Amino acid sequence: DAGVTQSPTHLIKTRGQHVTLRCSPISGHKSVSWYQQVLGQGPQFIFQYYEKEERGRGNFPDRFSARQFPNYSSELNVNALLLGDSALYLCASSSTAQRGSYNSPLHFGNGTRLTVT
Amino acid sequence: TQLLEQSPQFLSIQEGENLTVYCNSSSVFSSLQWYRQEPGEGPVLLVTVVTGGEVKKLKRLTFQFGDARKDSSLHITAAQPGDTGLYLCAGAQWGSQGNLIFGKGTKLSVKP
Repeated sequence: DAGVTQSPTHLIKTRGQHVTLRCSPISGHKSVSWYQQVLGQGPQFIFQYYEKEERGRGNFPDRFSARQFPNYSSELNVNALLLGDSALYLCASSSTAQRGSYNSPLHFGNGTRLTVT
Repeated sequence: TQLLEQSPQFLSIQEGENLTVYCNSSSVFSSLQWYRQEPGEGPVLLVTVVTGGEVKKLKRLTFQFGDARKDSSLHITAAQPGDTGLYLCAGAQWGSQGNLIFGKGTKLSVKP
């Protein structure tokens, strides 16, 4: 079975531009989460979507937005790119919604490496 | 503020040695997960510990969750070059929106 797939794998953008990153979850998984991993750091939570609804949002500015489609795939959008947005953007899927008391395993994709110049 | 502190940040050892990686916090977690991440890839889940004091073994890897659910350790016996990678601990908190809080990771290099 295919794992979590993300596209594109690499992307170079200029400050002020907009970017859209895409994620296809494992078949049957209805929850998608987005994480940002800056070089030398652990991943930081951006969004969680379950059944097309936003279920959680991390401490990121409004320039970051996301959505989930009826087929459970997801897009992460970032507007007005800053140099500090350069990072590996990870998408993870799971079979159930991530709740604080119990978390079904997260399956990560290999990420999109975004470089902002 | 980094809620989960991992130590050491870097570890370079010879094949066959034992090692322990620590994950500490002042916060209580409902569960804690350990991941391994290789260059150019996403993190891969190794284990989830849920009960305070719980010990789980995965071949040469032993994971322990602290009694107070604030800390965890990963012990590797007789490390092999294939163990090389970035080890990340991640905690989940009651009442959170379901996100995981990750530590910065321990970069392990095992030399033949």
